[in-house]
Amino acid sequence: QLQLQESGPGLVKPSKTLSLTCTVSGGPITTTSYYWGWIRQPPGKGLEWIGTIHYGGTTSYNPSLRSRVTISVDTSKNQFSLDLNSVTAADTAVYFCARVDLTIFGEVPFDSWGQGTRVTVSS
Amino acid sequence: EIVLTQSPGTLSLSPGERATLSCRASQSVSRSSLAWYQHKPGQSPRLLIYGASVRATAIPDRFSGSGSGTDFTLTISRLEPEDFAVYYCLQYGTSPWTFGQGTKVEI
Repeated sequence: QLQLQESGPGLVKPSKTLSLTCTVSGGPITTTSYYWGWIRQPPGKGLEWIGTIHYGGTTSYNPSLRSRVTISVDTSKNQFSLDLNSVTAADTAVYFCARVDLTIFGEVPFDSWGQGTRVTVSS
Repeated sequence: EIVLTQSPGTLSLSPGERATLSCRASQSVSRSSLAWYQHKPGQSPRLLIYGASVRATAIPDRFSGSGSGTDFTLTISRLEPEDFAVYYCLQYGTSPWTFGQGTKVEI
């Protein structure tokens, strides 16, 4: 069974770069029909889509974050990563990684999720 | 971007009752690419419905989705104690993907 696990620092200083990794187990990240995504939830607020990536390199980002975000894949480690630069307190959130499955019937969005990791931006 | 507005903000019901949650889009959702998630505190969201009406794997049949265009509904036919949570809709037909602000179903 597919499992996803986020990892990274829980505390990041303002203006620095937030870097998180999602390790995928139970299946190859290079499966052609899978996309991989990041979603976040600020304290007391709803969910926000950050972006998605296919192992082949195709990315899609939320325009509200596009100038600061990079999502990449490391196939050798079966991982994908999120870099968010120039962070502020507004980037404090629980960050989730998740899978999108592209089936013959269409996309199945975010059907498997990591447990989430809390990141606080503070000096 | 497509803005999703969920109503009501909070739904106060009892176990065994029927819950009807609404998700309205600011423009038509492409290919009925509308999903519903259940989210409980301290857990990751759980996919319930995709394609507006297709139940995800292992989702009980008391959960059903309907709608097209700009108006979508999640119905829980008979609330079980474990169904009390926050529910989000997501449109994934047009980039950027957007979530609604959530409906809390409480006792």
